Amino acid sequence: GAVVSQHPSRVICKSGTSVKIECRSLDFQATTMFWYRQFPKQSLMLMATSNEGSKATYEQGVEKDKFLINHASLTLSTLTVTSAHPEDSSFYICSAPVQGWVTEAFFGQGTRLTVV
Amino acid sequence: KNEVEQSPQNLTAQEGEFITINCSYSVGISALHWLQQHPGGGIVSLFMLSSGKKKHGRLIATINIQEKHSSLHITASHPRDSAVYICAVRSEDFGNEKLTFGTGTRLTIIP
Repeated sequence: GAVVSQHPSRVICKSGTSVKIECRSLDFQATTMFWYRQFPKQSLMLMATSNEGSKATYEQGVEKDKFLINHASLTLSTLTVTSAHPEDSSFYICSAPVQGWVTEAFFGQGTRLTVV
Repeated sequence: KNEVEQSPQNLTAQEGEFITINCSYSVGISALHWLQQHPGGGIVSLFMLSSGKKKHGRLIATINIQEKHSSLHITASHPRDSAVYICAVRSEDFGNEKLTFGTGTRLTIIP
């Protein structure tokens, strides 16, 4: 099946620094990717929809200047957490729909971000 | 009220027991997904349903579109089935690829 690779799986950074998370579709082209955030023992919350070649669509309450999304190619979307703060510590996961007769969903492995 | 409700939130069972996790939704959907999230966080898609029933190994998923309800069953449960199981629905709106997630069911199988 389709594979979505997310990197890094874990990252620890200092407050005020920026962290980039990559999400790659390995064997298919993804014109759309979704970025989610998950707090402990809670479900996934959609942060933004990444669209290849155009601006990302952010969900209400998500700061677009803080969570920069770039989808420069059909196989790569990146999420950059800028000027990270401890409250940004969370689990971030990407997903790409695979469109065919029906639309499947494939998820990256997730990135656990800890801001100290 | 959430658009996708799962029950139970937590479930502990003995190895070998038959497990049922339920999902109810309140919106029109084009498909429903059952996902498995292991402690490390990675998510695996178990099933995608738009009608009827699917089976894969010890896992069975059913959906009743009229009643807006789906169930995930695990037969002969094993400790390695311990994970969080998440129900997610895709809108019936054409071109809308977004998923709406339930809050998950944390399953623990005791040896």
